[in-house]
Amino acid sequence: GDSVTQMEGPVTLSEEAFLTINCTYTATGYPSLFWYVQYPGEGLQLLLKATKADDKGSNKGFEATYRKETTSFHLEKGSVQVSDSAVYFCALSDLAQAGTALIFGKGTTLSVSS
Amino acid sequence: GAVVSQHPSRVICKSGTSVKIECRSLDFQATTMFWYRQFPKQSLMLMATSNEGSKATYEQGVEKDKFLINHASLTLSTLTVTSAHPEDSSFYICSATSGRYNEQFFGPGTRLTVL
Repeated sequence: GDSVTQMEGPVTLSEEAFLTINCTYTATGYPSLFWYVQYPGEGLQLLLKATKADDKGSNKGFEATYRKETTSFHLEKGSVQVSDSAVYFCALSDLAQAGTALIFGKGTTLSVSS
Repeated sequence: GAVVSQHPSRVICKSGTSVKIECRSLDFQATTMFWYRQFPKQSLMLMATSNEGSKATYEQGVEKDKFLINHASLTLSTLTVTSAHPEDSSFYICSATSGRYNEQFFGPGTRLTVL
């Protein structure tokens, strides 16, 4: 079945460092790809998404490009802030199938220090 | 984006009691709602998919008699944990979507602690 694999955390960075969180997927169809963020004690928030190959999702300085050839959707940010400390989840869904649930990776904890 | 609420945000109950968690779509009609469970420092695991007016579809390994799901209207789904035990303690998260959206909207989650 479809699955998502994320790099193991935690990731610990200093403020203004460059961030990469790797995410690869396996899917039989052409899924949409998502990054969600979960701040401490809160629910999930959609960070960005891409619905087809070569699409780039971006939000709040974060970017991820849907790479079909490498089945990847790596999350990047050029300069992280302390406020970016959170758990990041990569996910996929076949939106062509109405009502299809998201499949999540295990999550990567990011800790940014000043 | 659309807003989804959950109530209560936290609940503590004694072992053997039942707990009901509500999930509401506040500004749209949700034809489909999903219930996820998240263990500490782990990912979200889908428990069931709920379509308005029909029985929920449970994932393998999820006891339908223990986790009762009702989706009686286009804005409300409920998850009832029956005869709760300490191993049911977890973070329960719902999400909702409809045909007009190409994404799911998540509730803030409910922290259940069973003593």
